[in-house]
Amino acid sequence: DAGVIQSPRHEVTEMGQEVTLRCKPISGHDYLFWYRQTMMRGLELLIYFNNNVPIDDSGMPEDRFSAKMPNASFSTLKIQPSEPRDSAVYFCASSFSPALSNQPQHFGDGTRLSIL
Amino acid sequence: EDQVTQSPEALRLQEGESSSLNCSYTVSGLRGLFWYRQDPGKGPEFLFTLYSAGEEKEKERLKATLTKKESFLHITAPKPEDSATYLCAVLSTGNQFYFGTGTSLTVIP
Repeated sequence: DAGVIQSPRHEVTEMGQEVTLRCKPISGHDYLFWYRQTMMRGLELLIYFNNNVPIDDSGMPEDRFSAKMPNASFSTLKIQPSEPRDSAVYFCASSFSPALSNQPQHFGDGTRLSIL
Repeated sequence: EDQVTQSPEALRLQEGESSSLNCSYTVSGLRGLFWYRQDPGKGPEFLFTLYSAGEEKEKERLKATLTKKESFLHITAPKPEDSATYLCAVLSTGNQFYFGTGTSLTVIP
């Protein structure tokens, strides 16, 4: 079992640049979650998808953030333009349905993003 | 306001010294409470799900319990390999997830 795969593992870029984070969920999982983790705020849910459809994006901080899931095996989180306060570790997680109650989420190892 | 608070922020134990981590929550309605373990540079790893007050789950040296206001993660006779950050998360009846900021546990040989 390959687990949730995220890329890149580390990203350093300058303020104003576009950043794209990628996620491959576990095969067969129909829920996909994007989180952001910082020391100050801990782990925050940004958005989640069910069967490739965004269900709740209320955690997306601003219009600079967008997420897509074009198919069951791939999702992206894009920040455009990036700002230093976006620096954090971004995690992707996936699970089986019914994801919200009794199925655990499986997390990738995250992308550490630094915006200079 | 819905929120999850974990305490202490950090805990240092001698190997074999049992203790408990706390997760207090306030949500309009609870669908489930989750415990995860996170190692440095890794994503959270699922440990337990609890659904109702009085429920208990065990795994090796860990036992999770749940009341109407809080959950405890009891660690019995910890070993150095139990060192990690332990995260608590709550799923509300409004289908909102809330994570605590975690307890960083260090077990000294």
